[in-house]
Amino acid sequence: SAVISQKPSRDICQRGTSLTIQCQVDSQVTMMFWYRQQPGQSLTLIATANQGSEATYESGFVIDKFPISRPNLTFSTLTVSNMSPEDSSIYLCSLIGLGQETQYFGPGTRLLVL
Amino acid sequence: SQQGEEDPQALSIQEGENATMNCSYKTSINNLQWYRQNSGRGLVHLILIRSNEREKHSGRLRVTLDTSKKSSSLLITASRAADTASYFCATFNAGNNRKLIWGLGTSLAVNP
Repeated sequence: SAVISQKPSRDICQRGTSLTIQCQVDSQVTMMFWYRQQPGQSLTLIATANQGSEATYESGFVIDKFPISRPNLTFSTLTVSNMSPEDSSIYLCSLIGLGQETQYFGPGTRLLVL
Repeated sequence: SQQGEEDPQALSIQEGENATMNCSYKTSINNLQWYRQNSGRGLVHLILIRSNEREKHSGRLRVTLDTSKKSSSLLITASRAADTASYFCATFNAGNNRKLIWGLGTSLAVNP
């Protein structure tokens, strides 16, 4: 299984600022995803991070609010822009490895916006 | 979008008892997977069952799948306090672009 690291692990941010979350994988993977999980809720897919091209966003999520980069097969970033308290969530990086069907998850970034 | 619905939403049992969680879904699937999440951390894959399988075992876990009823169950036998976590089902739908569709989760508390 792949080893996934995310940073920061947690942060407290002020309204109106932006935070960039990094996801690093120790092996090449086919697909990388970013999820949001609000307190006590299930996972909501934000977007699929595509290598070298624009991410594919799910309904309700836009690039201006959640810009995503994936410059290579093992690294991706998610930025939460112009934050409001409603953005307080856990943000999870996830991936599917080559030839696999299961998803592996990073430890998550716990974000609190004041 | 969330299509899976787990029940119960919350379950509290004593150590040593069995825990059963159910998941229903709405569309045709390629496979159904169960994941565990400890206290707001990342999710861990537990078990995958394919659409042509009816039952699968892994250690103390037993998963069943009934495609006619579009439902699955996860049984944890001889539960331990360390099994306390949230459990999510997720489906790979037939014909989709490999996105998992997630259920709402069951919060399990195993009391020592």
